[in-house]
Amino acid sequence: DGGITQSPKYLFRKEGQNVTLSCEQNLNHDAMYWYRQDPGQGLRLIYYSQIVNDFQKGDIAEGYSVSREKKESFPLTVTSAQKNPTAFYLCASSSPSGRARVSYNEQFFGPGTRLTVL
Amino acid sequence: AQSVTQPDIHITVSEGASLELRCNYSYGATPYLFWYVQSPGQGLQLLLKYFSGDTLVQGIKGFEAEFKRSQSSFNLRKPSVHWSDAAEYFCAVPSGGATNKLIFGTGTLLAVQP
Repeated sequence: DGGITQSPKYLFRKEGQNVTLSCEQNLNHDAMYWYRQDPGQGLRLIYYSQIVNDFQKGDIAEGYSVSREKKESFPLTVTSAQKNPTAFYLCASSSPSGRARVSYNEQFFGPGTRLTVL
Repeated sequence: AQSVTQPDIHITVSEGASLELRCNYSYGATPYLFWYVQSPGQGLQLLLKYFSGDTLVQGIKGFEAEFKRSQSSFNLRKPSVHWSDAAEYFCAVPSGGATNKLIFGTGTLLAVQP
């Protein structure tokens, strides 16, 4: 079955440590996204990538970094510069090749990673 | 700029009662509109989407939504709520331009009481 996987589901980090969240998709999607979710704030875009080897900052990129070396993978690193990293992180992908325009905007989500800083 | 507003932060309904969740959008052209559902600790699942044609859209799990251009609304409805519908619901609209980013509302948390 096609889908998006995120690992780990729960992640604990000590202050001052960098940590990398994994996101993998086998949907043949070009675009991938990282969101941060906090209670009462909905989803906020951290980074997005529309194609391999290219990515753009979202609304809250400070303290985060990404890479997009493969179409299937879009890992997110939460650096020690992120002042309040405890949150639920969601990865998504969109724009399957050869589909109608509406599918170009529809996003498919992974199950999320809950990061807690101790 | 494109935006989406969900006026209701939290709604409680009785099981078997009807449901309507509100979504208002601001968009320069005919929008694509989406409703997603999120169960606790899970990712988001697409309920339904609108892009053109019939303004009443049917989705999964018995949900429907109606696009009303005159009111800039895309409200989600269900005639009879089940306890398993308790979740958070998000309305979304494309951000526009050359990207396929979505702008999400802040969500409506639905509680279902017996």
